[in-house]
Amino acid sequence: QQQVKQSPQSLIVQKGGISIINCAYENTAFDYFPWYQQFPGKGPALLIAIRPDVSEKKEGRFTISFNKSAKQFSLHIMDSQPGDSATYFCAASNTLQGAQKLVFGQGTRLTINP
Amino acid sequence: GAGVSQSPSNKVTEKGKDVELRCDPISGHTALYWYRQSLGQGLEFLIYFQGNSAPDKSGLPSDRFSAERTGGSVSTLTIQRTQQEDSAVYLCASSPTGDTQYFGPGTRLTVL
Repeated sequence: QQQVKQSPQSLIVQKGGISIINCAYENTAFDYFPWYQQFPGKGPALLIAIRPDVSEKKEGRFTISFNKSAKQFSLHIMDSQPGDSATYFCAASNTLQGAQKLVFGQGTRLTINP
Repeated sequence: GAGVSQSPSNKVTEKGKDVELRCDPISGHTALYWYRQSLGQGLEFLIYFQGNSAPDKSGLPSDRFSAERTGGSVSTLTIQRTQQEDSAVYLCASSPTGDTQYFGPGTRLTVL
């Protein structure tokens, strides 16, 4: 059972454009939604995270939009740069459960063309 | 400061052999996680340690997989009688009991 569905699998955006990656979840107990960025040969690194008490969170060029009723959240990368080319993973966890084990989406390979 | 470290970075083994993968978490982090990343796939939770509590082993795919965490610090993931489907990148993460998990670079396991 895939609890977090991520799309698209791959995305190509021109430099300066907006990259948008979407995720949908099933478990309404999830209360923590991070996005991770992974470069080849490296471990994932936390990019930005949101809790369901807010609908949007912005950090620099990165924004998470959260729709609790639709059980969807998305990552927007503004003014995309070639250095943003990486694989992005959304994830979710139920922190109240105490384990905080993350359930990951399948990943999106983002390519920013110069 | 030092991040999460894992060793070896690469491991090639023959089917049926046992392997041990090591994780050194960030100093002071009480929570430690193991995940598996198969080629082109997302990360799959394996096991979670929190302080002195019993580990959450709910993600281990079979009884060939086990893990220990000694002294609340270093952890070892052991895979017995390796199979080709065990080939993957094994990632370790640690957390200071908060939400953020810090990942190591992973161990790429190849079972021939």
